[in-house]
Amino acid sequence: GENVEQHPSTLSVQEGDSAVIKCTYSDSASNYFPWYKQELGKRPQLIIDIRSNVGEKKDQRIAVTLNKTAKHFSLHITETQPEDSAVYFCAPYGGYQKVTFGIGTKLQVIP
Amino acid sequence: EAQVTQNPRYLITVTGKKLTVTCSQNMNHEYMSWYRQDPGLGLRQIYYSMNVEVTDKGDVPEGYKVSRKEKRNFPLILESPSPNQTSLYFCASSLSKGFLLEKLFFGSGTQLSVL
Repeated sequence: GENVEQHPSTLSVQEGDSAVIKCTYSDSASNYFPWYKQELGKRPQLIIDIRSNVGEKKDQRIAVTLNKTAKHFSLHITETQPEDSAVYFCAPYGGYQKVTFGIGTKLQVIP
Repeated sequence: EAQVTQNPRYLITVTGKKLTVTCSQNMNHEYMSWYRQDPGLGLRQIYYSMNVEVTDKGDVPEGYKVSRKEKRNFPLILESPSPNQTSLYFCASSLSKGFLLEKLFFGSGTQLSVL
Protein backbone atom coordinates (compact mmCIF):
# COMPACT_ATOMS: atom_id res chain seq x y z
CA GLY A 1 0.00 0.00 0.00
CA GLU A 2 0.83 3.66 -0.22
CA ASN A 3 2.89 5.30 2.53
CA VAL A 4 2.07 8.98 2.75
CA GLU A 5 3.92 11.53 4.86
CA GLN A 6 2.80 15.11 5.19
CA HIS A 7 4.83 17.96 6.70
CA PRO A 8 4.54 20.06 8.73
CA SER A 9 1.74 18.90 11.01
CA THR A 10 1.09 22.48 12.14
CA LEU A 11 1.97 25.77 10.51
CA SER A 12 1.43 29.33 11.72
CA VAL A 13 1.97 32.25 9.36
CA GLN A 14 1.27 35.95 9.45
CA GLU A 15 -1.49 37.18 7.20
CA GLY A 16 -0.04 37.98 3.80
CA ASP A 17 2.85 35.54 4.08
CA SER A 18 3.16 32.33 2.06
CA ALA A 19 2.58 28.77 3.29
CA VAL A 20 4.01 25.56 1.87
CA ILE A 21 2.91 22.02 2.78
CA LYS A 22 4.74 18.98 1.45
CA CYS A 23 3.44 15.47 0.82
CA THR A 24 5.74 12.52 0.20
CA TYR A 25 4.43 9.21 -1.15
CA SER A 26 5.89 5.78 -1.82
CA ASP A 27 3.98 4.27 -4.75
CA SER A 28 5.49 5.16 -8.10
CA ALA A 29 2.17 4.14 -9.75
CA SER A 30 0.35 7.10 -8.16
CA ASN A 31 -1.12 9.23 -10.91
CA TYR A 32 -3.44 11.72 -9.21
CA PHE A 33 -2.35 14.24 -6.56
CA PRO A 34 -5.10 16.23 -4.82
CA TRP A 35 -5.17 18.58 -1.87
CA TYR A 36 -8.26 18.84 0.34
CA LYS A 37 -9.15 21.61 2.77
CA GLN A 38 -11.22 20.95 5.87
CA GLU A 39 -12.55 23.91 7.82
CA LEU A 40 -13.51 23.38 11.44
CA GLY A 41 -16.65 21.26 11.73
CA LYS A 42 -17.01 20.81 7.98
CA ARG A 43 -16.35 18.19 5.36
CA PRO A 44 -13.10 18.01 3.37
CA GLN A 45 -13.29 19.70 -0.01
CA LEU A 46 -10.93 19.59 -2.94
CA ILE A 47 -9.03 22.83 -3.50
CA ILE A 48 -6.54 21.83 -6.18
CA ASP A 49 -5.28 18.72 -7.91
CA ILE A 50 -2.69 17.68 -10.46
CA ARG A 51 -2.15 14.67 -12.68
CA SER A 52 1.16 12.95 -13.22
CA ASN A 53 1.73 14.41 -16.67
CA VAL A 54 1.82 17.98 -15.31
CA GLY A 55 4.51 19.56 -13.10
CA GLU A 56 2.67 22.58 -11.73
CA LYS A 57 -0.85 23.95 -11.58
CA LYS A 58 -2.07 27.31 -10.28
CA ASP A 59 -5.45 28.62 -9.26
CA GLN A 60 -5.28 32.21 -8.06
CA ARG A 61 -3.43 32.15 -4.71
CA ILE A 62 -2.94 28.41 -4.53
CA ALA A 63 -0.64 26.15 -6.52
CA VAL A 64 0.47 22.55 -6.51
CA THR A 65 3.86 21.35 -7.71
CA LEU A 66 4.78 17.75 -8.43
CA ASN A 67 8.16 16.04 -8.47
CA LYS A 68 7.52 12.47 -9.63
CA THR A 69 11.18 11.51 -9.53
CA ALA A 70 11.45 12.39 -5.86
CA LYS A 71 7.85 11.27 -5.16
CA HIS A 72 6.58 14.40 -3.53
CA PHE A 73 4.13 17.17 -4.24
CA SER A 74 3.53 20.43 -2.46
CA LEU A 75 0.73 22.89 -1.79
CA HIS A 76 1.65 26.57 -2.02
CA ILE A 77 -0.62 29.30 -0.69
CA THR A 78 0.46 32.89 -1.33
CA GLU A 79 -0.85 36.08 0.30
CA THR A 80 -2.51 34.05 3.05
CA GLN A 81 -5.77 35.28 4.55
CA PRO A 82 -7.57 34.34 7.80
CA GLU A 83 -10.07 32.25 5.82
CA ASP A 84 -7.18 30.00 4.74
CA SER A 85 -7.00 28.73 8.34
CA ALA A 86 -8.00 25.07 8.15
CA VAL A 87 -6.60 21.56 8.03
CA TYR A 88 -5.13 20.51 4.69
CA PHE A 89 -4.83 16.89 3.52
CA CYS A 90 -2.98 15.32 0.63
CA ALA A 91 -4.20 12.00 -0.83
CA PRO A 92 -2.06 10.60 -3.67
CA TYR A 93 -3.99 7.92 -5.57
CA GLY A 94 -2.63 4.84 -7.26
CA GLY A 95 -4.38 2.54 -9.73
CA TYR A 96 -5.59 0.13 -7.05
CA GLN A 97 -8.28 2.59 -5.85
CA LYS A 98 -7.40 2.42 -2.16
CA VAL A 99 -6.99 6.00 -0.96
CA THR A 100 -4.48 6.92 1.74
CA PHE A 101 -4.59 10.42 3.18
CA GLY A 102 -1.74 12.31 4.75
CA ILE A 103 -2.14 12.98 8.45
CA GLY A 104 -3.08 16.60 7.81
CA THR A 105 -1.54 20.04 8.33
CA LYS A 106 -3.27 22.53 10.57
CA LEU A 107 -2.67 25.97 9.10
CA GLN A 108 -3.24 29.03 11.25
CA VAL A 109 -3.14 32.44 9.62
CA ILE A 110 -2.56 35.16 12.20
CA PRO A 111 -4.22 38.49 11.35
CA GLU B 1 -27.83 19.92 -6.64
CA ALA B 2 -24.99 17.39 -6.90
CA GLN B 3 -24.31 16.01 -3.46
CA VAL B 4 -23.48 13.14 -1.15
CA THR B 5 -26.12 12.71 1.55
CA GLN B 6 -25.14 11.03 4.77
CA ASN B 7 -27.40 10.22 7.71
CA PRO B 8 -27.63 10.59 10.61
CA ARG B 9 -25.48 13.61 11.42
CA TYR B 10 -25.09 12.57 15.07
CA LEU B 11 -25.57 9.16 16.64
CA ILE B 12 -25.18 7.97 20.21
CA THR B 13 -25.52 4.25 20.84
CA VAL B 14 -24.48 1.53 23.26
CA THR B 15 -21.98 -1.27 22.87
CA GLY B 16 -23.30 -4.17 20.80
CA LYS B 17 -26.37 -2.50 19.31
CA LYS B 18 -26.29 -2.86 15.54
CA LEU B 19 -26.44 0.36 13.56
CA THR B 20 -26.35 1.54 9.96
CA VAL B 21 -25.11 4.86 8.60
CA THR B 22 -26.58 5.62 5.20
CA CYS B 23 -24.84 7.27 2.26
CA SER B 24 -26.40 8.25 -1.04
CA GLN B 25 -25.06 10.19 -4.05
CA ASN B 26 -26.94 11.66 -6.99
CA MET B 27 -23.98 12.13 -9.36
CA ASN B 28 -23.99 8.63 -10.91
CA HIS B 29 -20.51 8.02 -9.49
CA GLU B 30 -19.04 4.54 -9.77
CA TYR B 31 -16.67 4.91 -6.81
CA MET B 32 -17.88 5.23 -3.20
CA SER B 33 -15.94 4.93 0.03
CA TRP B 34 -16.06 5.32 3.81
CA TYR B 35 -13.53 7.02 6.10
CA ARG B 36 -13.14 7.56 9.79
CA GLN B 37 -11.46 10.64 11.16
CA ASP B 38 -9.76 10.62 14.56
CA PRO B 39 -7.63 13.33 16.17
CA GLY B 40 -3.99 12.94 15.23
CA LEU B 41 -4.72 10.12 12.78
CA GLY B 42 -6.22 11.98 9.86
CA LEU B 43 -8.68 10.29 7.52
CA ARG B 44 -8.43 6.53 7.24
CA GLN B 45 -10.28 4.52 4.62
CA ILE B 46 -12.58 1.77 5.90
CA TYR B 47 -14.06 0.28 2.72
CA TYR B 48 -14.46 1.28 -0.88
CA SER B 49 -16.53 0.18 -3.84
CA MET B 50 -15.70 0.47 -7.51
CA ASN B 51 -19.22 -0.37 -8.66
CA VAL B 52 -22.39 -2.28 -7.80
CA GLU B 53 -21.64 -5.53 -5.95
CA VAL B 54 -17.90 -4.74 -5.91
CA THR B 55 -16.44 -3.80 -2.52
CA ASP B 56 -12.96 -4.00 -1.02
CA LYS B 57 -11.21 -3.33 2.26
CA GLY B 58 -9.44 -0.12 3.04
CA ASP B 59 -6.89 0.33 5.79
CA VAL B 60 -9.17 -0.12 8.83
CA PRO B 61 -12.04 -2.51 7.90
CA GLU B 62 -12.25 -4.51 11.15
CA GLY B 63 -15.67 -4.25 12.81
CA TYR B 64 -17.40 -2.77 9.76
CA LYS B 65 -19.49 -4.10 6.87
CA VAL B 66 -20.68 -2.45 3.69
CA SER B 67 -22.91 -3.32 0.78
CA ARG B 68 -23.40 -1.85 -2.69
CA LYS B 69 -26.68 -3.18 -4.06
CA GLU B 70 -27.45 0.00 -5.97
CA LYS B 71 -25.08 2.46 -7.60
CA ARG B 72 -26.28 5.43 -5.58
CA ASN B 73 -26.23 3.88 -2.07
CA PHE B 74 -23.36 2.65 0.07
CA PRO B 75 -24.40 2.02 3.71
CA LEU B 76 -21.90 1.41 6.50
CA ILE B 77 -22.95 -1.26 8.99
CA LEU B 78 -21.60 -1.79 12.49
CA GLU B 79 -22.91 -5.18 13.58
CA SER B 80 -21.66 -4.92 17.16
CA PRO B 81 -20.30 -1.43 17.85
CA SER B 82 -17.58 -0.96 20.45
CA PRO B 83 -16.30 2.22 22.14
CA ASN B 84 -13.15 2.26 19.95
CA GLN B 85 -15.44 2.90 16.98
CA THR B 86 -16.39 6.28 18.42
CA SER B 87 -15.30 8.59 15.64
CA LEU B 88 -16.31 11.03 12.90
CA TYR B 89 -17.29 9.15 9.76
CA PHE B 90 -17.35 10.45 6.19
CA CYS B 91 -18.74 8.92 3.07
CA ALA B 92 -17.30 10.04 -0.27
CA SER B 93 -17.89 9.37 -3.94
CA SER B 94 -15.96 9.93 -7.13
CA LEU B 95 -16.26 9.61 -10.85
CA SER B 96 -13.84 6.99 -12.08
CA LYS B 97 -12.65 6.30 -15.59
CA GLY B 98 -11.17 2.85 -15.56
CA PHE B 99 -8.34 3.00 -13.04
CA LEU B 100 -8.30 6.78 -12.91
CA LEU B 101 -10.09 8.39 -10.02
CA GLU B 102 -11.33 11.96 -10.03
CA LYS B 103 -11.80 14.17 -6.97
CA LEU B 104 -13.69 12.92 -3.94
CA PHE B 105 -17.02 14.49 -2.96
CA PHE B 106 -17.64 14.10 0.77
CA GLY B 107 -20.84 13.82 2.75
CA SER B 108 -21.41 16.08 5.75
CA GLY B 109 -20.16 13.50 8.24
CA THR B 110 -21.62 11.38 11.04
CA GLN B 111 -20.36 11.86 14.59
CA LEU B 112 -20.77 8.47 16.28
CA SER B 113 -20.43 7.88 20.01
CA VAL B 114 -20.49 4.32 21.33
CA LEU B 115 -21.01 4.12 25.09
